[in-house]
Amino acid sequence: AQKVTQAQTEISVVEKEDVTLDCVYETRDTTYYLFWYKQPPSGELVFLIRRNSFDEQNEISGRYSWNFQKSTSSFNFTITASQVVDSAVYFCALRGNNNDMRFGAGTRLTVKP
Amino acid sequence: EAGVTQFPSHSVIEKGQTVTLRCDPISGHDNLYWYRRVMGKEIKFLLHFVKESKQDESGMPNNRFLAERTGGTYSTLKVQPAELEDSGVYFCASSPWTGGGVYGYTFGSGTRLTVV
Repeated sequence: AQKVTQAQTEISVVEKEDVTLDCVYETRDTTYYLFWYKQPPSGELVFLIRRNSFDEQNEISGRYSWNFQKSTSSFNFTITASQVVDSAVYFCALRGNNNDMRFGAGTRLTVKP
Repeated sequence: EAGVTQFPSHSVIEKGQTVTLRCDPISGHDNLYWYRRVMGKEIKFLLHFVKESKQDESGMPNNRFLAERTGGTYSTLKVQPAELEDSGVYFCASSPWTGGGVYGYTFGSGTRLTVV
């Protein structure tokens, strides 16, 4: 069975702080894909990143970075120098061989000015 | 290209009534998915269409939910009769056909359903 756990329900930080959102997954598939989505107050789900199980290189995109650790089944997401516009619910997701995506419960991030 | 379109964006209905949600995927996307998020919980898979065929409907909660995708284009999700626990945000997503799960999905903005 596939499962994604986002243990942090809510996080609140002050602008310019760094913040890390945790994601731990379970799967028996040898090939799988991990995703992060952002849901801003407007409601849509915005794709942020996809990482396949064979590529453990960390990735940085501007203030965003992702740390994929296969040994601990984690795919954590760090926002550096957070901004108020980063306030949203962030979802981690896993897609395995059966072509359907499983989501975590989401982490609500609030960045205060 | 146009994104995934869902309507209505909001719907408030009384318990026992019927509601139909619609999703227009990105043109040419064979895969269409329905997901639901109830308050504060994870986004849960409902079902997956490949073109007009139901590939996986293991997430459909019960027989009050009926999904269709006639002609392999848009899809509808009907809830009849609606119950209070059906309240939540219903997301639709689409993706191109791939055998390897390479693509992330493109999601619509969701339909917020409130059953009172």
